[in-house]
Parts: sequence; C-alpha cells; structure tokens
Amino acid sequence: GAGVSQSPRYKVAKRGQDVALRCDPISGHVSLFWYQQALGQGPEFLTYFQNEAQLDKSGLPSDRFFAERPEGSVSTLKIQRTQQEDSAVYLCASGIRRGGYEQYFGPGTRLTVT
Amino acid sequence: SQQGEEDPQALSIQEGENATMNCSYKTSINNLQWYRQNSGRGLVHLILIRSNEREKHSGRLRVTLDTSKKSSSLLITASRAADTASYFCAAAAGGFKTIFGAGTRLFVKA
Repeated sequence: GAGVSQSPRYKVAKRGQDVALRCDPISGHVSLFWYQQALGQGPEFLTYFQNEAQLDKSGLPSDRFFAERPEGSVSTLKIQRTQQEDSAVYLCASGIRRGGYEQYFGPGTRLTVT
Repeated sequence: SQQGEEDPQALSIQEGENATMNCSYKTSINNLQWYRQNSGRGLVHLILIRSNEREKHSGRLRVTLDTSKKSSSLLITASRAADTASYFCAAAAGGFKTIFGAGTRLFVKA
C-alpha cells in the first residue's frame, strides 16, 4: 500500500516568509509525528498527534511553529516568519499504535531559508 | 537535545564482516528502536525491543538491551554493501516523544 507522503519535497523560502509543509500519513494510522533533522544529526522530535488531538508539542522550537491535523489524517506543519536556522529536513512519521512505537517515515521536506 | 548517543560515530568495514553499533540513553524507557537511513529510502524502522526484553533477532540483525546500563547494541552480521547507511537508535520514554541519537554512519566496502 501507499506509504507516508510529504509535499513539497523541496522548499526554498526567503527569510521572513511563511511556509506550510504537508504530510499524508498511511491511512488508518492513529499516530503522527513531526521531526526536524539537521544535516548530520538524528531527527529531533517536534510534535505528536493522536488522531486529531495534538498531545505533545514540547519539541516545537518557538511560537513560529504550528502544526495541525484537523480531521485526524492529513497534517500540516506551518512555520511563520522563517529564519535561517529553520533550514533543515522536516520529517513526518505515522504509526498504527498510539505513542512511540514503530513509525513509518515519509521522505521529508528539505527547507532552505535564504 | 538528543537522548540517545550512538558509538561509534562512523564505522567502515569489509563486506562479510560484522558491524556493531552501540547506543546509550539517559532516562527510563518504554522501548528502544533502531532505524536505518540512506539517501535512497529515507528512514526505515528495523527493530523494536521493549524494556522488559534483553535480546531480539530479526534476520541478520541482533539487538541487545541493558536497562541497568541504559545501553543497547545493534549487530549486523555478514554485512553487505547495501547495508551502507546511517543507523539511529530511538528511545521511547513512555509518553509520546521518541528521542533519536545522532547516528552511526556505516560504510561497507565491497
């Protein structure tokens, strides 16, 4: 079946612009995670959804970052007033179980802020 | 900040040799997972070991967990060039957050 998809795959934004990154999880998966991965580092947790409820947003680095999953399927990560330090790969993962169990990752969106 | 720390940071071996990667973490965990990442296929889940398990096997993979030392190891036996990738441990502490380490970069020479 179809895996997790993310769009766009690449995004170049000028500093100060707002961006929206989309994640389409595997159908029926309860859990959805967003991660930020800097070059040469492991993914860093940003936020977690269980269905439409955002149960943990402790990893969001600032109030410029906002995530939603209004109908419990597709999720959007929005970054307002982008800064150069926001440049990274943003990964989305979904899981059939609640919480930190086996996660299926999308290909990521590489964001470059110039 | 990362909870898991992998050791070594980089490893280069010949095809057919075994590769061992270690991971340490800081707090009590519910489970620990290992993932592989390469440019072609993104992050792929390899194996999950629960906190009450000590060893788990999956094909050529063997994972051990020592909760008293807060450490885990991943052994890949009879390595292949296709195993070249970055390997990450990821600790789930019982809530919803999964904390990844910085990864071990494995290079298998044909």
